[in-house]
Amino acid sequence: NAGVTQTPKFRVLKTGQSMTLLCAQDMNHEYMYWYRQDPGMGLRLIHYSVGEGTTAKGEVPDGYNVSRLKKQNFLLGLESAAPSQTSVYFCASSYGPVLNEKLFFGSGTQLSVL
Amino acid sequence: AQSVAQPEDQVNVAEGNPLTVKCTYSVSGNPYLFWYVQYPNRGLQFLLKYITGDNLVKGSYGFEAEFNKSQTSFHLKKPSALVSDSALYFCAVRDWDDYKLSFGAGTTVTVRA
Repeated sequence: NAGVTQTPKFRVLKTGQSMTLLCAQDMNHEYMYWYRQDPGMGLRLIHYSVGEGTTAKGEVPDGYNVSRLKKQNFLLGLESAAPSQTSVYFCASSYGPVLNEKLFFGSGTQLSVL
Repeated sequence: AQSVAQPEDQVNVAEGNPLTVKCTYSVSGNPYLFWYVQYPNRGLQFLLKYITGDNLVKGSYGFEAEFNKSQTSFHLKKPSALVSDSALYFCAVRDWDDYKLSFGAGTTVTVRA
């Protein structure tokens, strides 16, 4: 039972490079989320999706784009990476706020932008 | 707007002693409250939640939390801490009409043998 899988686990980028983080869940969850975790700031929501084909902005969406073409996948893209985007990124999924409040998290992606 | 505060960056206790991790919240309506735990190099794991009903909520690994509406608090407690409880703990809140959780900054718990 894989749950929520994030790839890659680690990545180093140079300023201006682009990359895509992949999140896959096998629990048939409707809702998916991308968070970033920074020391002393907890988790901040970047973007989220309430179903296939939908996306919405969270607290800190600037510099990121997302897509949810398939229900099980939620992609986070950085078009032109900046050092301020150095962080640990977590994907999460859930059935939704009505059916089940519990979020399931992936193990994270550690991204360094030089 | 919804927000949550964890006033302590770190909590240190001896094994066998009671453990309390504090959380206060702010919402416009009725709150949905959660605790998550993060072990090193892992994603967050759900511990417990308060939606409605009894103010004392019991969760995983012997943890419980008490909802106090007048003090807008949702403190996490464990009667007898274990070394294995050492981790980063996050409180989170959702307003009744919002999809999204807001997380606190986290509290690092260290339990010494």
